[in-house]
Amino acid sequence: GAVVSQHPSRVICKSGTSVKIECRSLDFQATTMFWYRQFPKKSLMLMATSNEGSKATYEQGVEKDKFLINHASLTLSTLTVTSAHPEDSSFYICSASLMNTEAFFGQGTRLTVV
Amino acid sequence: DAKTTQPPSMDCAEGRAANLPCNHSTISGNEYVYWYRQIHSQGPQYIIHGLKNNETNEMASLIITEDRKSSTLILPHATLRDTAVYYCIDLSAGSARQLTFGSGTQLTVLP
Repeated sequence: GAVVSQHPSRVICKSGTSVKIECRSLDFQATTMFWYRQFPKKSLMLMATSNEGSKATYEQGVEKDKFLINHASLTLSTLTVTSAHPEDSSFYICSASLMNTEAFFGQGTRLTVV
Repeated sequence: DAKTTQPPSMDCAEGRAANLPCNHSTISGNEYVYWYRQIHSQGPQYIIHGLKNNETNEMASLIITEDRKSSTLILPHATLRDTAVYYCIDLSAGSARQLTFGSGTQLTVLP
């Protein structure tokens, strides 16, 4: 199946700093990618839809100025957590799909803010 | 909110078949039944999907009832590596592929 890669897989940052997470579709072009967040022992929650060449659309309750999404090419979307705080510590996961196929997920990024 | 309901947890002996049920009480005619699983600290992995016929692939079999209100994912010979949270999801054909995850079933395969 198609491959989606996230980087980094794990990151620790200091409170107040920003962290960028990359999501790449390695063997296909994705006009749309999705970003999810997962807290411990909870299910995945959709944060935003990343659209190539246009602004991302955010789910209700997700701060667009805090979670900056850039989808500058058909194979790369980035999520930047700005001014991170300990409550932003979570598991962040991206997904992408070809037209009318199943979604493929990255391996996830574990963010710890200290 | 998620539209499917699943038992929170199940155990299965290694080598035996694991049968994971899902209720799709609000599924509509153009929605497919998808199954994903998430091994601890990894991204979800696609398993199988179907519309109304039973499906089988190298990973699993999917049984969908005639009224499509319930489905069962079958792992024919469970291994320890099948321990994961399993999610069933209703998804429209041609949708943008953002998924609404319920709470899933934690399957534990016991040695």
